[in-house]
Amino acid sequence: NAGVTQTPKFQVLKTGQSMTLQCAQDMNHNSMYWYRQDPGMGLRLIYYSASEGTTDKGEVPNGYNVSRLNKREFSLRLESAAPSQTSVYFCASTAYTDTQYFGPGTRLTVL
Amino acid sequence: GIQVEQSPPDLILQEGANSTLRCNFSDSVNNLQWFHQNPWGQLINLFYIPSGTKQNGRLSATTVATERYSLLYISSSQTTDSGVYFCAALDNYGQNFVFGPGTRLSVLP
Repeated sequence: NAGVTQTPKFQVLKTGQSMTLQCAQDMNHNSMYWYRQDPGMGLRLIYYSASEGTTDKGEVPNGYNVSRLNKREFSLRLESAAPSQTSVYFCASTAYTDTQYFGPGTRLTVL
Repeated sequence: GIQVEQSPPDLILQEGANSTLRCNFSDSVNNLQWFHQNPWGQLINLFYIPSGTKQNGRLSATTVATERYSLLYISSSQTTDSGVYFCAALDNYGQNFVFGPGTRLSVLP
C-alpha cells in the first residue's frame, strides 16, 4: 500500500514550457485534490475532484488544467508555465470528506 | 468563503514543555483537520476533528464548533515535534478545503 504517489519529485521548466504532474492513490478514495504551497505559506487549493469524472475549481485555478483519468489518478497540467507558478505542489486524497492523505510533493521551478 | 486563522505564528519551546496551538474559523464547518509538516516537507494528518476531543499519545485536539475554534495540545514536546502545524477547514457548501497560515514550532534540546 503506497498511499499517494506523485511524479516527478523535482522539475525545472523555462517560461512557456508545458508539463503534467502525475498523482495516483491506491486507497480507493473518491476525492482527490491538488494544492500549491509557496514559501512560508499554507496550502492553497488549485482543483479538486469529488469523484471519478468530475472536477471543480479551487481557490487558485488560473493557469492550470486537471484530468481525473480514473478513480486512482488525478493529473495537473501547466500549459504555459510562468515564474509565478514556481511552488511545491501537493496531491491529496480522501474517502469522502474526512481524513486527507498527502503525497510527498513536487518541487517546481519556472525560470 | 471561509477564513482560517492560526496563532501563534511562531513558537519556540524547550524539550519537555507543553504548548497549545489555536485555529479560528469564520463560518460553520463540517470538517476540521490538523496536519504536521515536518522539516522535510511531508504533510501528516494528525486529527480529523469536526467537533469534540480526541487524543493520540502526547497530542490531543479539541474543536468547539459552536464557537468556531479548535485547539491542538502538545505535551512533553520532543525535538521531532518541530515543524509547521496547519489546520484546515471544509465549509458546509462544498469540498473546498481552506488551510490556515500555520504555526511554526521549534523544539530545542
